[in-house]
Amino acid sequence: GAGVSQSPSNKVTEKGKDVELRCDPISGHTALYWYRQSLGQGLEFLIYFQGNSAPDKSGLPSDRFSAERTGGSVSTLTIQRTQQEDSAVYLCASSLGVLGGDGYTFGSGTRLTVV
Amino acid sequence: QQQVKQSPQSLIVQKGGISIINCAYENTAFDYFPWYQQFPGKGPALLIAIRPDVSEKKEGRFTISFNKSAKQFSLHIMDSQPGDSATYFCAASMRAAGNKLTFGGGTRVLVKP
Repeated sequence: GAGVSQSPSNKVTEKGKDVELRCDPISGHTALYWYRQSLGQGLEFLIYFQGNSAPDKSGLPSDRFSAERTGGSVSTLTIQRTQQEDSAVYLCASSLGVLGGDGYTFGSGTRLTVV
Repeated sequence: QQQVKQSPQSLIVQKGGISIINCAYENTAFDYFPWYQQFPGKGPALLIAIRPDVSEKKEGRFTISFNKSAKQFSLHIMDSQPGDSATYFCAASMRAAGNKLTFGGGTRVLVKP
């Protein structure tokens, strides 16, 4: 597609439930990133994938968070046993590569509300 | 630890005026400094970026000034327009470490007509 596509755009879930957020990056972009945007913490890095390399999970806030990227394209961010502090906008971005090109293209995000 | 500090938090400027946003960083290993513009309900969009080997970069009405010795960089928006009203984020990254962005706290800019 022309841009980074994220779904759903909004998700309301009950505390304790699991959620899956999907990201469809720009075709041909080998690097894919997840960030979280919240009022209290601003924009925070969560995880990134580069080609077939092992993902960099250094930003994941707890073991309730995980992500995978299938076939070098679509990525899914999973949050297990959601807590109210997980409420935020989850942003996905892709780029041509970590060393090439200038900057990422972000999707419009998934607004997650945990009630 | 906040590695990129951004100021001011908000800014009001008259149409045609100059908007100036400042950022300071701590990690001297950062080698890529982009600015992002974000409108409500949208993801951040890359506006302009600079590498530390240059002191200034201009693209249209947007200019980045970079001071390596002071570990500071700034965004100047010339001839500000109401359509520039948005939140602006500075960021920094190390390309060799995955190009993971560390963002500043953001500046909400309002351009009054």
